[in-house]
Amino acid sequence: GENVEQHPSTLSVQEGDSAVIKCTYSDSASNYFPWYKQELGKRPQLIIDIRSNVGEKKDQRIAVTLNKTAKHFSLHITETQPEDSAVYFCAAAPDDKIIFGKGTRLHILP
Amino acid sequence: DAGVIQSPRHEVTEMGQEVTLRCKPISGHDYLFWYRQTMMRGLELLIYFNNNVPIDDSGMPEDRFSAKMPNASFSTLKIQPSEPRDSAVYFCASRPTGGGYGYTFGSGTRLTVV
Repeated sequence: GENVEQHPSTLSVQEGDSAVIKCTYSDSASNYFPWYKQELGKRPQLIIDIRSNVGEKKDQRIAVTLNKTAKHFSLHITETQPEDSAVYFCAAAPDDKIIFGKGTRLHILP
Repeated sequence: DAGVIQSPRHEVTEMGQEVTLRCKPISGHDYLFWYRQTMMRGLELLIYFNNNVPIDDSGMPEDRFSAKMPNASFSTLKIQPSEPRDSAVYFCASRPTGGGYGYTFGSGTRLTVV
């Protein structure tokens, strides 16, 4: 079955700097890659997604890239702000279900 | 749209007791998923339904766990008997039919078994 690896597990960046979270997946059948943000004590919420026929997608300060050949995908957050502090999950969908990475805890330092 | 609704929000029970978690998906969503979240194991898929039919229950940890979806607007996850290692946050999520749709998660049920 699909296996999603996510790195790093913890990331601290200075406010205003950029943050990058990287993921790999194992199943070449995966064709949909969502990213979720989970604030402390709250539910995971979809922040951006990308389909396998697209290499890059951007929404304001966040962007995702996908390299299907290498089975890599990444989340980039620019101009980080305090409200970006949360746990971020990457995921891959080889079929009806979504398989999640273990998450990255992002700390934005003042 | 009220979103995915889960109840109860918190549940504290004694070891050996039966626990029932409830979920109402978003109207029109044909897929319903149950996940368990712990620090050690992250978000684990337990089971999912399509049009009320269980499709994949390979993530259900033991026979103590069971799930049902009697109609399109209601699902339950039952643990009987409960054990302390079942303590976790249980999320329900739903999505519509079609590829490339993310889930909408419910608020979760925080289960503590003492």
